[in-house]
Amino acid sequence: SSELTQDPDVSVALGQTVRITCQGDSLRSSYAAWYQEKPGQAPLLVFYGKNSRPSRIPDRFSGSSSGNTASLTITGAQVEDEADYYCYSRDNRGDHLGVFGGGTKLTVL
Amino acid sequence: QVQLQQWGAGLLKPSETLSLTCAVYGGSFSGFYWTWVRQPPGRGLEWIADINQSGRTNYNPSLKSRVTISMDTSKKQFSLKLTSVTAADTAVYYCVREVRGIIITYPYFVFDIWGRGTMVTVSS
Repeated sequence: SSELTQDPDVSVALGQTVRITCQGDSLRSSYAAWYQEKPGQAPLLVFYGKNSRPSRIPDRFSGSSSGNTASLTITGAQVEDEADYYCYSRDNRGDHLGVFGGGTKLTVL
Repeated sequence: QVQLQQWGAGLLKPSETLSLTCAVYGGSFSGFYWTWVRQPPGRGLEWIADINQSGRTNYNPSLKSRVTISMDTSKKQFSLKLTSVTAADTAVYYCVREVRGIIITYPYFVFDIWGRGTMVTVSS
């Protein structure tokens, strides 16, 4: 399958922990990458692979993977974390075409 | 610092051809996959196509009949053409660099550098 499924909306109280998930068959054989998108800005890579975070990304962002599900966890969510989050990987067939999840809108209450 | 600078027409009429180009500054053109991604207003990201240094291309099946991605390695540029555009092609189009790697036995695919995006509107 070439689809990645995300919950459309997730909310979290300020300072609490939230997990955003991404499901798809391709995640059984490849890692996801996670992108944060805020209005008017290009997406920003926040986590990828087994345990890789770009240097400018706060360490409250972490990721994990199990079976067909990848997760992005924000520990101690901040107001500035309110954004849309997308997972990305490549499907596990033939040409390995790129595929994004549908996106999760995170609201920090 | 690697930067992607993109340009192209921002307003098209239905049935016209969208044409965008992206130039790579401050880094190598080889060893990466060069990709186009789009985002319609209020909607999610959509992978369109990519090309590698060898010229190998991949296309989103939903757009494959209308899309061509190409590159000019001497200029460190890659381009997107989308024919017969309709209002459904209205979107912000991004050029992106993809890095690939392997951790233990699992591959990862990462868009680490993004262009600023070009808003393309299709309207009569």
